[in-house]
Amino acid sequence: NAGVTQTPKFQVLKTGQSMTLQCAQDMNHNSMYWYRQDPGMGLRLIYYSASEGTTDKGEVPNGYNVSRLNKREFSLRLESAAPSQTSVYFCASSRREGLYEQYFGPGTRLTVT
Amino acid sequence: GENVEQHPSTLSVQEGDSAVIKCTYSDSASNYFPWYKQELGKGPQLIIDIRSNVGEKKDQRIAVTLNKTAKHFSLHITETQPEDSAVYFCAASRTGGGNKLTFGTGTQLKVEL
Repeated sequence: NAGVTQTPKFQVLKTGQSMTLQCAQDMNHNSMYWYRQDPGMGLRLIYYSASEGTTDKGEVPNGYNVSRLNKREFSLRLESAAPSQTSVYFCASSRREGLYEQYFGPGTRLTVT
Repeated sequence: GENVEQHPSTLSVQEGDSAVIKCTYSDSASNYFPWYKQELGKGPQLIIDIRSNVGEKKDQRIAVTLNKTAKHFSLHITETQPEDSAVYFCAASRTGGGNKLTFGTGTQLKVEL
């Protein structure tokens, strides 16, 4: 099992460009999450999907959209990238909503110039 | 919402010594407290967690303690080894909160030979 996979690993965008970060899990998990990690700020939740067909905002949703394509895949879209969105993005999944371990992907390092 | 504070931000110990990382939380309804380890270039990985119905949990060289009254919890690593060098994050969540984790800002642990 690959666990949680993310593509791409690295990306450089110019201000105003758009892109989609892809995430997939092969553990048959119901819940999926998107976090961003910035120096000195820990991980902050952007959006999450408790189950297929549902999505909800997290702590820092502005400037992002998400799609739960199916049970396996959860994508994060930046419609018009800004330098403030330079960060490392992590996708995670858990068995279901509730107090369960979250499994993280390897991350995508995004730079917006 | 929940706020989690973590100290220290950096910690350097000699191999074989113990390391202690402390976190405080603000939401008295929080009842799940995981600890994640993040190695360079990788996503965080759960190392131990504790629920509010217990005060202490051990797993080999790692232990976590929880003081619900004071709203703080700590990670203890004994007999530290070079491979323990990493960034450690505490987090908090509560039942009915969608398994949304609020993370601390992280502790860079360095184990010196």
